[in-house]
Parts: sequence; C-alpha cells; structure tokens
Amino acid sequence: NAGVTQTPKFRVLKTGQSMTLLCAQDMNHEYMYWYRQDPGMGLRLIHYSVGEGTTAKGEVPDGYNVSRLKKQNFLLGLESAAPSQTSVYFCASSWDRLNSPLHFGNGTRLTVT
Amino acid sequence: ELKVEQNPLFLSMQEGKNYTIYCNYSTTSDRLYWYRQDPGKSLESLFVLLSNGAVKQEGRLMASLDTKARLSTLHITAAVHDLSATYFCAVDNVSNAGKSTFGDGTTLTVKP
Repeated sequence: NAGVTQTPKFRVLKTGQSMTLLCAQDMNHEYMYWYRQDPGMGLRLIHYSVGEGTTAKGEVPDGYNVSRLKKQNFLLGLESAAPSQTSVYFCASSWDRLNSPLHFGNGTRLTVT
Repeated sequence: ELKVEQNPLFLSMQEGKNYTIYCNYSTTSDRLYWYRQDPGKSLESLFVLLSNGAVKQEGRLMASLDTKARLSTLHITAAVHDLSATYFCAVDNVSNAGKSTFGDGTTLTVKP
C-alpha cells in the first residue's frame, strides 16, 4: 500500500520555466491538499480539493494552478517559476474532515534559480 | 483568520527529563492534530484531539486539548534521543472544508 506518492522528489528550475508536480494516492481519499514548507515555518496551504473535479484556493495560491481530473491524482502546476517558489512541496490527503488526520507524501524539493 | 502559535520553537533537553510544548490557536476550532517530522522527511500523524478535555497518549508522548482556553499541550515524559524531531500542531474547522492551519513547529533535540 503506497499511500501518497509524489513525483518528482527533486527538481531544479530556471526562472520562468514551468513544471508540474504529481501527487497520487491509493487510499480512495476524497480530500487532497498541496502545502509548501519553508525553513523555520509551518506548512502553508496552496490549493486543495474536496473531490474529483473540484479545486479551491488556499492561503498562498498565487503563481500556482491545480487540477483534479481523477480522484486519485492531484496536480500542482507552476506556469512561470520564480525564486520565491523555492520550497519543499507536500501533498496530503484525507478520508474525511471529521476525524481523519492528513496523510502526507514524501515531498518534492524544488529550487528555482 | 485562524492563527496557530507554538512555543517554544526550539527545545533542547537532556534524556530523562520532562517537558511540555504548547499550541495556542485564535478562533473556535473543531479538532486539533499533532504531527511529527524527522529531518528531511515527511510528516506523520501522532494524535487527533476532537473534543474539550481529550487526552491521548502514545509511549512517552501525551497530548491534551482545552477548547475553552484554545490550548493544546504535548507533554514529553523521560525524553529519549529517538524523540528528536520537529513537532507541529494543526487546527481544523470543518465548516472551512476542514483546511488545516499549522503552527510553525517545535524542533526538539534530546541530548544524552
């Protein structure tokens, strides 16, 4: 049982390049989230989804887009990367929001030069 | 806007000692979570606290919730080196799509 899988694990981009981060979960979870973690800070929510075909903005959505075409996948896109987007990105999922904690992927370390 | 504050942010303690990490939050919440993160790793869930007065224990860690004071504590008993990690509390509100707001984390170092 893989849980939550993120790809890639590491990536270096140049300013202005684009990329997509993939999150896949095999737990049939409805809710999926993208967070970023910066040194000395907690996690900040970028975008989230409460079900297939739905997405919504979180706390820091600017510069990112997301899609949830299939229930098990949640994609995070950077259209034009900026150095301020250098961070560790975590995907998370949960069964419901009544009693369930978040299940996290292993993270993607992104550096934008 | 929900704000979550943890203190201390850094904690260095000796093996065998006890200590408490505090998590304060600013608005009414439905539930509170504690997570652990090892360096360079992902976060794993430790406790889910759902109601006022809830207490959960796992090994040397015990978490409690006081919703009236908007305070949760994570108590460490007789610390061991393996507990060295960063601990995050996160607060939810179901009416807000259950989005979790995280504290900045407490980095715990247990020294022999």
